[in-house]
Amino acid sequence: EVQLVESGGGLVQPGGSLRLSCTASGFTFSSYWMSWVRQAPGKGLEWVANINPDGSGTFSVDSVKGRFTFSRDNTKNSLFLQMNSLRAEDTALYYCARVDILSGSGSWFHWGQGSLVAVSS
Amino acid sequence: DIQMTQSPSSLSASVGDRVTITCRASQGINNYLAWFQQKPGKAPKSLIYGAFNLQSGVPSKFSGSGSGTDFSLTISSLQPEDFATYYCQQYYSYPPTFGGGTKVEFK
Repeated sequence: EVQLVESGGGLVQPGGSLRLSCTASGFTFSSYWMSWVRQAPGKGLEWVANINPDGSGTFSVDSVKGRFTFSRDNTKNSLFLQMNSLRAEDTALYYCARVDILSGSGSWFHWGQGSLVAVSS
Repeated sequence: DIQMTQSPSSLSASVGDRVTITCRASQGINNYLAWFQQKPGKAPKSLIYGAFNLQSGVPSKFSGSGSGTDFSLTISSLQPEDFATYYCQQYYSYPPTFGGGTKVEFK
């Protein structure tokens, strides 16, 4: 069974940093593109980034470029989201998801349960 | 970026009703369209991909149609477990974008 478990969320002040992790199991992690998708409280879904299987390439939404970095450790079946210079508008539940449809920019069949990031003073 | 416009943003329906949600893309996306269901406090669940392909394990009361820029999700006979928010998503190009969601509520 595919499982994705996020961790590392919490409360952080504006301008601060936080690192999210996503631990995968039940599939060959190193073979899949992975994504981060976020959802602000009471709002819709917003794609954040995709990372390719070996971690050498990423795509991300413009609003996080230069502030967020994306990486993975295939030896530990883990995905990481390093968030710097956090803003109030980054407050959201952050999901990791497995890219199951490779066409175009991809879509997902499998999602984690999310990790909540709150940016507030 | 491709804008995805869902309508309605919410609807009230009764058990047994046939419900249709529409999604319009700001440009043609072929059939690179997915639908998700999300219940409160839960992660999104994949329902349909490629505009009309039913995800494994999803009941056949859900169906997708459309092509180009106009798509729809239909629930043939609404059941209590179907009250949720539904999102469309295009994956034709970067960035992948979602519709604003349609909340299906009990009448």
